[in-house]
Amino acid sequence: DIQMTQSPSSLSASVGDRVTITCQASQDIRKYLNWYQQKPGKAPKLLIYGASNLETGVPSRFSGSGSGTDFTFDISSLQPEDAATYYCQQADELPINFGQGTRLEIK
Amino acid sequence: QITLRESGPTLVKPTQTLTLTCTFSGFSLSRSGVGVGWIRQPPGKAPEWLAIIYHNDNKYYNPSLMIRLAITKDTSKNQVVLTMTNMDSVDTATYYCAHKRPGWDLLFDFWGQGTLVTVSS
Repeated sequence: DIQMTQSPSSLSASVGDRVTITCQASQDIRKYLNWYQQKPGKAPKLLIYGASNLETGVPSRFSGSGSGTDFTFDISSLQPEDAATYYCQQADELPINFGQGTRLEIK
Repeated sequence: QITLRESGPTLVKPTQTLTLTCTFSGFSLSRSGVGVGWIRQPPGKAPEWLAIIYHNDNKYYNPSLMIRLAITKDTSKNQVVLTMTNMDSVDTATYYCAHKRPGWDLLFDFWGQGTLVTVSS
């Protein structure tokens, strides 16, 4: 199985800050990495697919990059509504695995 | 637009079998490349993928749970059913079904709202 390691597990940032979350795969997953946002009591929402493709309707302050084993998720200018938990998910092979999540708090 | 909704019991007893139904609209599970998956999420933990079924009836399961799971589809009813046998307290979780985007493997772009299943005697 491909294991996904996300960091940090939590962070606190201010409105307007740039935020970066990293995700590392235990083996090469090429570009097959997706990012989801989850708010309390809600289902995960797809933000980024294929490592760097912005899902339709998602604000452009969200972006992703990377390939192989190392990936990055960025929020360029943090907004209050971005408070959530973010998960990476490898989509290269079965079984699908998610990272352990990054809880983002707004100061 | 694509929507999915999970239904089933909210409380099951240990050793019982859980049966969950995903009823969807806005897409056809007979279209090439389409799939429906099940994912669960224990309280406060990361999502865990359980199973997926494709348009051609190919089925794949999480190896760690494979012996307990079965996924089926009824294309005429726009439904996918997941059964999980021998339920235990560690199976308490919110269970989601999700649409797999055709053309992108293992990409879940639309999710149901989820249903919380509690395992307790």
